[in-house]
This record gives sequence, C-alpha cells and structure tokens, in this order.
Amino acid sequence: GAVVSQHPSRVICKSGTSVKIECRSLDFQATTMFWYRQFPKQSLMLMATSNEGSKATYEQGVEKDKFLINHASLTLSTLTVTSAHPEDSSFYICSARAQGPYGYTFGSGTRLTVV
Amino acid sequence: AQSVTQLDSQVPVFEEAPVELRCNYSSSVSVYLFWYVQYPNQGLQLLLKYLSGSTLVESINGFEAEFNKSQTSFHLRKPSVHISDTAEYFCAVSEKGGSEKLVFGKGTKLTVNP
Repeated sequence: GAVVSQHPSRVICKSGTSVKIECRSLDFQATTMFWYRQFPKQSLMLMATSNEGSKATYEQGVEKDKFLINHASLTLSTLTVTSAHPEDSSFYICSARAQGPYGYTFGSGTRLTVV
Repeated sequence: AQSVTQLDSQVPVFEEAPVELRCNYSSSVSVYLFWYVQYPNQGLQLLLKYLSGSTLVESINGFEAEFNKSQTSFHLRKPSVHISDTAEYFCAVSEKGGSEKLVFGKGTKLTVNP
C-alpha cells in the first residue's frame, strides 16, 4: 500500500517550453503532497507544499510563477515548469503522506533536461 | 528550524564488513527521525524511522539506527553489508506537531566493494 506514481520518469524539452509532471497517490488519498528538487550529488530541497483545493505553499527562493503547482484532487498533484531553461534541468521528486503518523511515500522522480 | 548534518559524503566498504553512517540533527523542538535510501535515478524509499518509544529501530534488511537525544544523533548501522546495499542514504527530520515538512541531510554515498 501507499504507492505514489510519478510521471514522466524522464523528459527532454526545448528551452522556452513548459513541462508538466504528475504525481498520483494510487491507493490512498493525499491532502498534502510535497515537491522536491535534487541537484546532482546533493540532497533534496523542498520546493513547495501542495494542498488539495488550495494554493501551494512555496519555500523561500522558489519562483511560484515559474513552478506552477496544482492539487485539484485528493490523488493528483501536478508541477508545471514554465518557460524552462537549461538551469531548470534537475531531478524532481514528489512525496505524499499516507495514513498514519508520518507515512511519507515518494514518487520515483522525474529527470528533466532542458536543451 | 531544523537542520541535519551527515558528516560523511562517501563511505566505501568491503562486502560483509560493518558500516556506520552518521547523522546529527539540530532542532529546538522534539523531532521525528528518518533514514531513506535512494538508488540511481529513483525516488526515495523509507528504510526506518523513529517516532517514539524504543530508541533502537530496525529495518527488515538488517539496518538499524539508534536515537540518542543527548548527542542529537541518529546513526545508521549494519553489521555486514552486501553489494546490493550500494546506494545513497539520506537522514531526515521532521518537527513533532509541526508542518510535516521533511528536512534532509546532504546524503551519504555508500559503496560496497567485492
């Protein structure tokens, strides 16, 4: 139980285009999901907390207009990287909290390459 | 605010040797503690967690970690490692009764050599 599916696993896009990443909780409802960014050989940095039915809460330094988060249902959150540039290339990972105390489950991640 | 320090960025060991991956944290309030493992190009998998109770927690694949409040540490240990344990390991903390956010350390790359 408590599976989080993240799609796509890899995406290559041209500079200036937008890319949407989906994060789905398959067998549980997630009122809160988290989006992380991971640079090579570094830790995960929390970008934003996605709340179902309300606006996301962004961490300091994260551009909310560039990284659009939508959490329209209890099982789906999306992260859209708008007008992507090469410096946005990174590994993006989502996480959702399942039932029980601090049952965080992570998606398998999305490798974004902007060329 | 919480912070996590993983002192060793890389730990190379031989197969069947014991290993300890160190984790220290800083927080002004009580915390929950976690160890996650990440294989290349994959998400994170929970290895073990400390929420309350016994300070020694164990995983199903032989890892254990001990919460030491006085030393603010949560070191991860395994008495005998396998090649398949090669991965990146992340220590994380979350504030009890707080925002549910996980704060991660920078990770330790464990490489098990034959």
